[in-house]
Amino acid sequence: AQSVTQPDIHITVSEGASLELRCNYSYGATPYLFWYVQSPGQGLQLLLKYFSGDTLVQGIKGFEAEFKRSQSSFNLRKPSVHWSDAAEYFCAVESSGNTGKLIFGQGTTLQVKP
Amino acid sequence: DAGVTQSPTHLIKTRGQQVTLRCSPKSGHDTVSWYQQALGQGPQFIFQYYEEEERQRGNFPDRFSGHQFPNYSSELNVNALLLGDSALYLCASSLVSQGMSAFFGQGTRLTVV
Repeated sequence: AQSVTQPDIHITVSEGASLELRCNYSYGATPYLFWYVQSPGQGLQLLLKYFSGDTLVQGIKGFEAEFKRSQSSFNLRKPSVHWSDAAEYFCAVESSGNTGKLIFGQGTTLQVKP
Repeated sequence: DAGVTQSPTHLIKTRGQQVTLRCSPKSGHDTVSWYQQALGQGPQFIFQYYEEEERQRGNFPDRFSGHQFPNYSSELNVNALLLGDSALYLCASSLVSQGMSAFFGQGTRLTVV
């Protein structure tokens, strides 16, 4: 069965520091991968997605993610974090290719120190 | 573009009652999916509607049912509410012909007491 693991439940970084959020997936075929962000009490906003092609994908708000098939990973990165990036981040995999059924990880809470 | 809109925003119900949540998809989208997000957890897929029919279903009991209307809007119904049904219910819409990048609504916070 497909699954997504986000090993870090909570991460704290200083404003201006770089960020990397980890995501590992379990999936038999080529996965469709996503990163979403959720601010408190809000819905989910799509940051970026990987379907195929270039393994480094650029997203909104200065985020990027790299797909590494050999490591079954899709880590999210940002070179310089802003205080407004504090939120919950979810990695997701589409369960069986272009069906729209997303399987989410548990999420990583990002706290940004001034 | 109003995006995905959900109503109501918050709701309090008593155990055993029934509830209906509503979702209007992003303009031009034809597929609606529903997710349940318990506190501190990632969203879990409930079901998906396309062309007014349930296309996929997650691991949720039959107490959870839905409907999609000709204008693509959708309802989620939950019968015989349990305390454990308290959660944020998220609606996501997408366009099947353009891949499945889902756009989410703000959610409905359901509290069962």
